[in-house]
Amino acid sequence: DAKTTQPPSMDCAEGRAANLPCNHSTISGNEYVYWYRQIHSQGPQYIIHGLKNNETNEMASLIITEDRKSSTLILPHATLRDTAVYYCIVRAVSNDYKLSFGAGTTVTVRA
Amino acid sequence: EPEVTQTPSHQVTQMGQEVILRCVPISNHLYFYWYRQILGQKVEFLVSFYNNEISEKSEIFDDQFSVERPDGSNFTLKIRSTKLEDSAMYFCASSETGGQAPGTQYFGPGTRLLVL
Repeated sequence: DAKTTQPPSMDCAEGRAANLPCNHSTISGNEYVYWYRQIHSQGPQYIIHGLKNNETNEMASLIITEDRKSSTLILPHATLRDTAVYYCIVRAVSNDYKLSFGAGTTVTVRA
Repeated sequence: EPEVTQTPSHQVTQMGQEVILRCVPISNHLYFYWYRQILGQKVEFLVSFYNNEISEKSEIFDDQFSVERPDGSNFTLKIRSTKLEDSAMYFCASSETGGQAPGTQYFGPGTRLLVL
């Protein structure tokens, strides 16, 4: 029942921007896009979420295409501590309490 | 910064024994969740809890599982008769709101359960 598609892995150079793509072509109008990451079996860490506008916080930026069928998470200056599995999750606004995690993208930041 | 805490960090038990995993959600949060992650697999939703009752549960959450908020701060997951396949990392999460955005869920560090 995967609603999102992410590349299984990607590498990034330390200090450079990391752009993580996510496809969610069947997204509904009441569904948000959430991003979490999991560093080495720790608890998933919330990064950012959005509905249709681009969002930015202290951790990352989220760019959502106008048709909302895909999005990109941008880590502006990747550090070694950003090495993690990144999950893109689509979640309905109402009556949908759970987060459905897929396999995510394993991001390795290299020095 | 407020955070979700979980105890114990590791639990080893014998098959058939009961275990209770404990969580202290963020203090002003009203919605509570349990997830699990079997080694090498995806994070799976187990149950959500609000206003002293289960609001949603997955197929995994069968009769051997139960949740409780015994007081104003703790949220527990009980596994009545553990099986080998219950070995996993169990994560507790909490959010201010539930289905309505921005019901962002914040996760604890997890309890690693090993059933022998």
